[in-house]
Amino acid sequence: GENVEQHPSTLSVQEGDSAVIKCTYSDSASNYFPWYKQELGKRPQLIIDIRSNVGEKKDQRIAVTLNKTAKHFSLHITETQPEDSAVYFCAASRRATDSWGKLQFGAGTQVVVTP
Amino acid sequence: DGGITQSPKYLFRKEGQNVTLSCEQNLNHDAMYWYRQDPGQGLRLIYYSQIVNDFQKGDIAEGYSVSREKKESFPLTVTSAQKNPTAFYLCASSDDTPEQYFGPGTRLTVT
Repeated sequence: GENVEQHPSTLSVQEGDSAVIKCTYSDSASNYFPWYKQELGKRPQLIIDIRSNVGEKKDQRIAVTLNKTAKHFSLHITETQPEDSAVYFCAASRRATDSWGKLQFGAGTQVVVTP
Repeated sequence: DGGITQSPKYLFRKEGQNVTLSCEQNLNHDAMYWYRQDPGQGLRLIYYSQIVNDFQKGDIAEGYSVSREKKESFPLTVTSAQKNPTAFYLCASSDDTPEQYFGPGTRLTVT
């Protein structure tokens, strides 16, 4: 089955700097890669996703890049703000015959943005 | 934040007791999922259901059971066979797209 590894496990950045989180996946057939943000005690929220037919997607200060050949994808947060402090999870899944498969999650990255 | 609800938010049980966690959605989603979250770990899939009256085991189904009698409801029972039941439990749902949307979670503590 799919295996997703996520690095780093913790990331401290100064406000205004950029943050990058990387994930690798094992199943070359995976074709959907979402990123979730989870604040303390809250539910994970989908913040951005990418499908395998594109290499990059941006939404304001966040972007995701995908390298299918190397089987890795990354989340980039620019101009970080204190409200970006949270745990970020990457995940991967693939389309089965008539439905989407299970999401396999990475272990998460605790991001701390210091003023 | 509406659409998927879980109750209660906090649940305390004594060891050896079964407990049922509620998950309801009014999004008309066909698929529903249960995940377990432990500190420092990602979300691990317990059970999922892609249609009413059908469900499949996820990666860590031992000690858990589910039912899917109605499209909008997917309750999870944590049985006494689950060795380490204390965790944060998250329910999610999706329609015929890969995006999953999560409920607020139930924090279960078993002593």
